[in-house]
Amino acid sequence: DAKTTQPTSMDCAEGRAANLPCNHSTISGNEYVYWYRQIHSQGPQYIIHGLKNNETNEMASLIITEDRKSSTLILPHATLRDTAVYYCIVRVETGGFKTIFGAGTRLFVKA
Amino acid sequence: DGGITQSPKYLFRKEGQNVTLSCEQNLNHDAMYWYRQDPGQGLRLIYYSQIVNDFQKGDIAEGYSVSREKKESFPLTVTSAQKNPTAFYLCASGTRGNEQFFGPGTRLTVL
Repeated sequence: DAKTTQPTSMDCAEGRAANLPCNHSTISGNEYVYWYRQIHSQGPQYIIHGLKNNETNEMASLIITEDRKSSTLILPHATLRDTAVYYCIVRVETGGFKTIFGAGTRLFVKA
Repeated sequence: DGGITQSPKYLFRKEGQNVTLSCEQNLNHDAMYWYRQDPGQGLRLIYYSQIVNDFQKGDIAEGYSVSREKKESFPLTVTSAQKNPTAFYLCASGTRGNEQFFGPGTRLTVL
């Protein structure tokens, strides 16, 4: 699985969009970009994943650059409950059962 | 309710004792995983199992053992050989190609 690089921490004002970047310059053609988040002392929660195209669901949007070497997770209207550690992971969708979780980005949403 | 459960939430043990952490899922997932998380750190894979009666070591398997006698259950034993067992332990399950679902975690403290 390819490695990822994320900022250690970020701040965001409540109600604003939170844009969380992730670099994955060694990503392979069959590897997907996954995002999870972990609220303090809970298990990680799946947010979204994608291969090439931008993806959107009820929680967030995922923007992947054309060369697939980086991506951005967008929380369109951050709330205080979005304060968490956000993990960006790249892995194959099938056959790759191991998921590598790095230190992630600690997002602080402030009132 | 479908989901993945871990028990207990908090566990205290004396140094030198083996302890078994429970993980049960009723999601009919083939794959199950155990991760360890230390304060301020990401998740590290201990063991994973893709199918009943089969499991593989992750990145930090030393001092741990697992079994997978039933699809629904993947207990983790922390043995006395584990040098620094105090940590937050997370169990997850998933199907081939899908995101992983995490349990609420067990916080183990060895006194």
